[in-house]
Amino acid sequence: RKEVEQDPGPFNVPEGATVAFNCTYSNSASQSFFWYRQDCRKEPKLLMSVYSSGNEDGRFTAQLNRASQYISLLIRDSKLSDSATYLCVVNKEEGGSNYKLTFGKGTLLTVNP
Amino acid sequence: EAEVAQSPRYKITEKSQAVAFWCDPISGHATLYWYRQILGQGPELLVQFQDESVVDDSQLPKDRFSAERLKGVDSTLKIQPAELGDSAMYLCASSSLGGPSYNEQFFGPGTRLTVL
Repeated sequence: RKEVEQDPGPFNVPEGATVAFNCTYSNSASQSFFWYRQDCRKEPKLLMSVYSSGNEDGRFTAQLNRASQYISLLIRDSKLSDSATYLCVVNKEEGGSNYKLTFGKGTLLTVNP
Repeated sequence: EAEVAQSPRYKITEKSQAVAFWCDPISGHATLYWYRQILGQGPELLVQFQDESVVDDSQLPKDRFSAERLKGVDSTLKIQPAELGDSAMYLCASSSLGGPSYNEQFFGPGTRLTVL
């Protein structure tokens, strides 16, 4: 089982749609969780952290279920500018207080006019 | 806004040649990371530095890859000899601290390597 697995995608949705991305992780000792966004041929950028209590940033809502080792990202009222690859990212201890990010493969979202 | 600088942005080389990539992290960032991203995959960590020391190079193919950060500031990643399978985006990232708490990693624009 891969450390971080995401919906394979791609997702094609019309403007205004709600879209949900799912992610599971294999290591129960993982410490913190994030969604990164990567535009075509650009570098990844942090979109938001994910907390057990759930967190919202405008049209974006992230949820974490530690018991199920499951992370989600919901985008409401999608815009053309939301078109990108969304990467699920897990941070875990590698020993010696060294923490390491593990990225999922990413899910490509295309929002169509 | 401070950024991570990388050069070159694009590199085309023939297999068996040597290539080198350079990264200048955000000023004051002690932790520097080199990642490799194959098309359609997420970034995979190759090596992590804390100041000038290597913290994690477990995924670095040491027979052909080397990385250094001699003065704890900028860093160079080298591949010698390059192989066809090395074609990928090489991303550098930096963060203000490593260790037990997460600090956001800021990525540079990457170097896109094509090996012919």
